[in-house]
Amino acid sequence: EIVLTQSPGTLSLSPGERATLSCRASQSVKSKYLGWYQQKPGQAPRLLIYGASNRATGIPDRFSGSGSGTDFTLTISGLEPEDSAVYYCHVSTDFPTWTFGQGTKVEI
Amino acid sequence: QVQLQESGPGLVKPSQTLSLTCTVSGGSITSGAYYWTWIRQHPGKGLEWIGYSHYSGRAFYNTSLKSRAAISVDTYNNQFSLKLSSVTDADTAVYYCARYADGLGWFDPWGQGTPVTVSS
Repeated sequence: EIVLTQSPGTLSLSPGERATLSCRASQSVKSKYLGWYQQKPGQAPRLLIYGASNRATGIPDRFSGSGSGTDFTLTISGLEPEDSAVYYCHVSTDFPTWTFGQGTKVEI
Repeated sequence: QVQLQESGPGLVKPSQTLSLTCTVSGGSITSGAYYWTWIRQHPGKGLEWIGYSHYSGRAFYNTSLKSRAAISVDTYNNQFSLKLSSVTDADTAVYYCARYADGLGWFDPWGQGTPVTVSS
């Protein structure tokens, strides 16, 4: 079973700074099946990035994803206060099992 | 666009069966290569997938739930449902339904979530 490890656990930054979130897989995964989700307090998660690097509809271009194999990164450039949230990575290559990372909390 | 809405009791007694329904609007539950999914989140914790089902009935479940979960799809009413049997307080969580795009690997959209408490 694939394990996704996200780091850091919490990231405290100021508006305008850049956030770099890591998602590391215990074995190589297909980039096509790597996604990132944003969850604000009291809300459902929202799709941010799919296929490791593709922004979902309506997602601002300050959000970007990259990576391949076992190492993936979500970058938020020019942080805004509304970006305070928990960010989860997810992979679905280990059919039929799905895996979520444990989340990274971004505080602004 | 497609929207999902969960419904069901917010309080379930221990050992009973939790039953939730997700209503799909703005699109057909039979269209496209989608799996209809249940995911939960324990208080203050991360996301845990429960299971997912194609409208044809092909379903898969998280083995950690030890066969307590069952997902069914009602194509007539454009809904899908979750039944989780023999609940304990460890099943207290917010339950989300979501659409998963097979072959693309993403969940979108999500329902708003419904909190369920297991307590006598």
